[in-house]
Amino acid sequence: SQTIHQWPATLVQPVGSPLSLECTVEGTSNPNLYWYRQAAGRGLQLLFYSVGIGQISSEVPQNLSASRPQDRQFILSSKKLLLSDSGFYLCAWSRGVSYEQYFGPGTRLTVT
Amino acid sequence: AQTVTQSQPEMSVQEAETVTLSCTYDTSESDYYLFWYKQPPSRQMILVIRQEAYKQQNATENRFSVNFQKAAKSFSLKISDSQLGDAAMYFCAYTGSNFGNEKLTFGTGTRLTIIP
Repeated sequence: SQTIHQWPATLVQPVGSPLSLECTVEGTSNPNLYWYRQAAGRGLQLLFYSVGIGQISSEVPQNLSASRPQDRQFILSSKKLLLSDSGFYLCAWSRGVSYEQYFGPGTRLTVT
Repeated sequence: AQTVTQSQPEMSVQEAETVTLSCTYDTSESDYYLFWYKQPPSRQMILVIRQEAYKQQNATENRFSVNFQKAAKSFSLKISDSQLGDAAMYFCAYTGSNFGNEKLTFGTGTRLTIIP
């Protein structure tokens, strides 16, 4: 069976510090991978998605970037965090077009 | 562009009763897929049910069923015999069937409260 991991689960970082969130998927190959952000009590905002190694599509121009160094690894980064980067970050995977997405447990990021 | 609308920000239901959450969508595609996700207080998104647009039969998963009205572009979720563990945010989502369309479009969610 497939599983998706995210870490860390919780992160508190000062403004201006760098960020690295990691997501890995087990039990499948060549998944589509996604990064979402969710503000408290709000819906999901798609940040990035990837259909293959080195292929990243950005949905929202912002302070963040994403990379996919390996088939089942997806990394969300920032060089300098802003207060507005605070939120709940979710990683997800799917088998491809028309398939449902499966989500990781999320990372709660607080920028102070 | 596709849009998904959930017009009920909040709903409540007595335990053991039935509740229906509404979702409408807009698309020009003829083949697509619809989903309902549940987000409990832990905030992990959990897939509840999936519906293929080409299937006329409504999907069912235990106490969860959908009423899919393709012509009306409506996709409601019915929860029967509501339980305390059903309390969560519920999101309706849409995806197309064409390559190059690998994204889900989510609604804004409905917060469901279960009254003991």
